Amino acid sequence: GAVVSQHPSWVICKSGTSVKIECRSLDFQATTMFWYRQFPKQSLMLMATSNEGSKATYEQGVEKDKFLINHASLTLSTLTVTSAHPEDSSFYICSAGGWGGSLESDQPQHFGDGTRLSIL
Amino acid sequence: QQPVQSPQAVILREGEDAVINCSSSKALYSVHWYRQKHGEAPVFLMILLKGGEQKGHDKISASFNEKKQQSSLYLTASQLSYSGTYFCGTAVFQGAQKLVFGQGTRLTINP
Repeated sequence: GAVVSQHPSWVICKSGTSVKIECRSLDFQATTMFWYRQFPKQSLMLMATSNEGSKATYEQGVEKDKFLINHASLTLSTLTVTSAHPEDSSFYICSAGGWGGSLESDQPQHFGDGTRLSIL
Repeated sequence: QQPVQSPQAVILREGEDAVINCSSSKALYSVHWYRQKHGEAPVFLMILLKGGEQKGHDKISASFNEKKQQSSLYLTASQLSYSGTYFCGTAVFQGAQKLVFGQGTRLTINP
């Protein structure tokens, strides 16, 4: 069964609306979760690393004031797209896994089912 | 630094074999392989670690050559269900530990 749950699956809203996406780890605690954005026929581009109890780390070029990340518990991270515009329409996916601080970890990242965001 | 995958796309007939390559200009510590079907989230296939590791299950296997900084995914006797986009991901530390994905290889299996 799924180990990472993402909600909602899809959102259609008007330009200027803020949208919140939730990512939950179901049977493990995740001090770190990752948020990706994927445009059609393109790769998964890391947006930010969500850190439990501290500020998120954003990738270069990602506006932290536009994409607010909150990781208030060991099982929940949220991504809020503030004042969304049509260019923010995309497939947003979160991931979490049991990385133990080693780049040679054999623990995989598990992905949520993704959220398809359409801004009209 | 994003790993580079080749080829970008492959079209096969059911039962044929395919090889997907993933290479990096930087040292690789581990390589993660995922398959993504259209409109769905990526599904984990396998991880390879340093040491010239090879892994496999069913008819999908992979190898990792850290000297050449590359990994290859092998699909033998392909099935229709193998269709999708395959991504390799490399674990890197850039201020924090993260997974960076290649651009993907689109695999189409025809009957």
